[in-house]
Amino acid sequence: NAGVTQTPKFQVLKTGQSMTLQCAQDMNHNSMYWYRQDPGMGLRLIYYSASEGTTDKGEVPNGYNVSRLNKREFSLRLESAAPSQTSVYFCASSVTGEAFFGQGTRLTVV
Amino acid sequence: QKEVEQDPGPLSVPEGAIVSLNCTYSNSAFQYFMWYRQYSRKGPELLMYTYSSGNKEDGRFTAQVDKSSKYISLFIRDSQPSDSATYLCALRRGSNYQLIWGAGTKLIIKP
Repeated sequence: NAGVTQTPKFQVLKTGQSMTLQCAQDMNHNSMYWYRQDPGMGLRLIYYSASEGTTDKGEVPNGYNVSRLNKREFSLRLESAAPSQTSVYFCASSVTGEAFFGQGTRLTVV
Repeated sequence: QKEVEQDPGPLSVPEGAIVSLNCTYSNSAFQYFMWYRQYSRKGPELLMYTYSSGNKEDGRFTAQVDKSSKYISLFIRDSQPSDSATYLCALRRGSNYQLIWGAGTKLIIKP
């Protein structure tokens, strides 16, 4: 029972590089989310997808793009990474509001 | 003012003590209340999910919601060192599935 799977687990990027964080869930959930977590800031919503084919901005969307590839997969793209994007990124999914999380991606931008 | 306030701690208590963790909120539109536990370097995991005022118990954990005071609590009985983690509250309005998060309280249970 995999739940929510994120790849990669760790990544170091140079400023200006791009990358895509992958997320897949096997729980048949409609809604999926991308959060970032920084010390003292709690969880902040970057983007979410209420259902397949829809995406909406959250609290901190600048510098990010997302794609809801299908019901299972929701990817987060950093087009030109900046040191301010150094964070732990979590993907989550839900069906009735409570969120189930992946294990996170630790991203460092140097 | 944040919609949800939560003391970041750390809260340090001896093993076996009763722990009380709390969040306050400002918007009476919140209807669903959740508590998550997050171990270091792991993703948050759902502990308790409640709707409306009152208490909900699950083993050593009790979630309490007081909508009139806009105050939610998580009690942990017979606390264990394995309960040491950060506890986050999350609130949801009606049909909007976005969660509003507290900053999390770091809990340390001393053996």
